[in-house]
Amino acid sequence: TQLLEQSPQFLSIQEGENLTVYCNSSSVFSSLQWYRQEPGEGPVLLVTVVTGGEVKKLKRLTFQFGDARKDSSLHITAAQTGDTGLYLCAGVGTGGFKTIFGAGTRLFVKA
Amino acid sequence: KAGVTQTPRYLIKTRGQQVTLSCSPISGHRSVSWYQQTPGQGLQFLFEYFSETQRNKGNFPGRFSGRQFSNSRSEMNVSTLELGDSALYLCASSSSPPGMAGELFFGEGSRLTVL
Repeated sequence: TQLLEQSPQFLSIQEGENLTVYCNSSSVFSSLQWYRQEPGEGPVLLVTVVTGGEVKKLKRLTFQFGDARKDSSLHITAAQTGDTGLYLCAGVGTGGFKTIFGAGTRLFVKA
Repeated sequence: KAGVTQTPRYLIKTRGQQVTLSCSPISGHRSVSWYQQTPGQGLQFLFEYFSETQRNKGNFPGRFSGRQFSNSRSEMNVSTLELGDSALYLCASSSSPPGMAGELFFGEGSRLTVL
């Protein structure tokens, strides 16, 4: 069974601080995605990483896919209150084809 | 372009009843997936349909079932409801077939409360 573990589960920081969220698995994934979900809405895709070691930047967000394609990280620089939300990593397995999600990291950025 | 539409948005049922949830994907999307979201477990994969065929199934009991119609609309059914079935049920559609790194477009979900 492929599992994705996210850490931390909850993070409360001040505006302007930096943070990193981790997504780990013992399984290899063909690709990994990060989604953000706000209250009352469904998750929205932020990025897809496909190649081991790949780094993608989206404004203040930096995503990295591990060399072995088993883990990923999301780094936010100078967090803003608008970054508040639930961050979910999702992996597409190499054999099962289905997309599975981690339990998420709930981020709260205080003004 | 209309997004993924789920109905109903909210519903309350009692133990033992059954419920049917509906999902209309984005026009042109043939892949539809269903997830159960609870505070402690995150998003748990239920099943995935592509071109009216179930391509993947998660680890849920047989009380959970689904289907997809020729117009790609999908329904999921939960029979003999239990208190633990209370959750947000999310539907996602994709233009990519199963196994491809396509973007999942989610609806706002159907929030089910079982009393």
